[in-house]
Amino acid sequence: KNEVEQSPQNLTAQEGEFITINCSYSVGISALHWLQQHPGGGIVSLFMLSSGKKKHGRLIATINIQEKHSSLHITASHPRDSAVYICAVTYNNNDMRFGAGTRLTVKP
Amino acid sequence: DGGITQSPKYLFRKEGQNVTLSCEQNLNHDAMYWYRQDPGQGLRLIYYSQIVNDFQKGDIAEGYSVSREKKESFPLTVTSAQKNPTAFYLCASSAVGYTFGSGTRLTVV
Repeated sequence: KNEVEQSPQNLTAQEGEFITINCSYSVGISALHWLQQHPGGGIVSLFMLSSGKKKHGRLIATINIQEKHSSLHITASHPRDSAVYICAVTYNNNDMRFGAGTRLTVKP
Repeated sequence: DGGITQSPKYLFRKEGQNVTLSCEQNLNHDAMYWYRQDPGQGLRLIYYSQIVNDFQKGDIAEGYSVSREKKESFPLTVTSAQKNPTAFYLCASSAVGYTFGSGTRLTVV
């Protein structure tokens, strides 16, 4: 069983829709990361958070430490948001563990 | 601009040959990592290095080797002992947060 579970595995949305991707993890962490991987393969870090909520443009990330759960929300989705979104966690030793990713397709 | 450079982007090798993937960073990060990505799976740690001249095995180190002679560079060699080398390889470095390279897609035929 993966230490980091993401859902859904695949997600198709119409442009403008509100999108939520969920992530749960099994043990205590020092931080949770949301990453974006485009078709070329390179990965960009979107958020690193250890509590509460962060917002950047149309992206919002939340984390509930007690429930060991995080969500990534995209408001007013656009075709350029199409990518694989990866949840990852780091522990005190800086070891990073990754979810399998959520493939998002936003149709015009 | 600071970042991580991985080269080449695509690499083809014949079975039985060793191949070295390059990873260079100009972020002055102490820690560097190599990950492997297979379809439908999360990234898995191959090797990591917290400081120059020191490195540690990750979860799937068998068939791979690394060196860390300079802070900026962390090359990964995929040896002929790696049974399924065809994969996407990502390099990363970290200080407070993580920075990822653009990856190398290795195909062994």
